[in-house]
Amino acid sequence: EVHLVESGGGLVQPGGSLRLSCAASGFTFSSYSMNWVRQAPGKGLEWVSYISSSSSTIYYADSVKGRFTISRDNAKSSLYLQMNTLRAEDTAVYYCARGSARTYDYWGQGTLVTVSS
Amino acid sequence: DIVMTQTPLSSPVTLGQPASISCRSSQSLVHSDGNTYLSWLQQRPGQPPRLLIYKISNRFSGVPDRFSGSGAGTDFTLKISRVEAEDVGVYYCMQGTQFPPYTFGQGTKLEIK
Repeated sequence: EVHLVESGGGLVQPGGSLRLSCAASGFTFSSYSMNWVRQAPGKGLEWVSYISSSSSTIYYADSVKGRFTISRDNAKSSLYLQMNTLRAEDTAVYYCARGSARTYDYWGQGTLVTVSS
Repeated sequence: DIVMTQTPLSSPVTLGQPASISCRSSQSLVHSDGNTYLSWLQQRPGQPPRLLIYKISNRFSGVPDRFSGSGAGTDFTLKISRVEAEDVGVYYCMQGTQFPPYTFGQGTKLEIK
């Protein structure tokens, strides 16, 4: 059974940093692209970042480009999101999601990031 | 970016009755490989999103057959043949044809009358 478990969220001041992690199990992690998708409180879904299975291709949403860095460790079946220079508008639940057939077939439970002074 | 527009944004339905949600894309979702990458996701209250339907009409593993998807080009529909209490939540359409980014509709809230 596929499992994705996010961690690393919390309360951070504007301008601060956080590193999110996503631990994957139940599938061959190295064979799949992975994504971060976020959801602000009471709002819809927003794609944040993509990384290919081998890390050779990486994309970011314009809203986070230059501030966030996605990475993965296939040996540890883990996905990461380094978030710097955080802003209030980055407040959201952050989900890791597996990419397959041009959709997101499995999602984690999410981790809440709150940016506030 | 492709804009996805859902209607209605809220849908009160009676248990046991059908429900329908529409989704329109700002441009055709037919990919150069011939596939149309339109998905539907369900988000129950307090839960993460869950994939229901991919490539217009293919039900994902474990999805009940009361859920069905249809459409082509720029217009798509999710139908629930008989709504059950566990179907309450927000439904999103999502396009995977043009990337980056994959884009989502605003969401349609399904609630019981």
